[in-house]
Amino acid sequence: DIQMTQSPSSLSASVGDRVTITCRASQSINIYLNWYQQKPGKAPELLIYGASSLQRGVPSRFSGSGSGADFTLTISSLQPEDFATYFCQQSYSTPRTFGQGTKVEI
Amino acid sequence: EVQLVESGGGLVQPGRSLRLSCSASGFTFRDNAIGWVRQAPGKGLEWVGFVDYGGTTEYAASVKGRFTISRDDSKSIAYLQMNRLKNEDTALYFCAREEAGLFEGIDYWGQGTLVTVSS
Repeated sequence: DIQMTQSPSSLSASVGDRVTITCRASQSINIYLNWYQQKPGKAPELLIYGASSLQRGVPSRFSGSGSGADFTLTISSLQPEDFATYFCQQSYSTPRTFGQGTKVEI
Repeated sequence: EVQLVESGGGLVQPGRSLRLSCSASGFTFRDNAIGWVRQAPGKGLEWVGFVDYGGTTEYAASVKGRFTISRDDSKSIAYLQMNRLKNEDTALYFCAREEAGLFEGIDYWGQGTLVTVSS
């Protein structure tokens, strides 16, 4: 199985900060890497698919990059509504696997 | 509007069975893989398994041999049959639609149904 390792597990940042979350796969997954945002009590929402493509309706302050085994999610200017937990997920093979999550506190 | 609605959760004793349902609407159900993702209280997301548009199923190692996913395209419903339940299966279970055009990303999720395994 492909292991996904996210870092950091949590972070504190201020409104307007640039925030970066990394995700590393235990083997190459090409660009089959997705990012999700989950707010308390809600289902996750897809932010980025294919490592760098912005899902429809997601603000442009979110961006993704990377290929192979190393990936990054960047929030260019953190907003109060971005308080949430972020998960990466590989969809290169089954079983699909998620990172452990990064909790972003404002 | 795409909607996924789970049902069937509840309190069940260890070793017993439970079947979850995922009713879909707003899209051509047979065109998409449908998966199940669970989240234990206060924990992260765990992929449980899926059934693809051809009926092929895949499972996480933690549930393989105990859980079975199926689909009824005529009713736009997917099922998660859970047998020999364990305490560690306690979680909120989400139904999820994979979209092949989005690198198999999950673009729609249900609201989740809670399964509690306890004696």
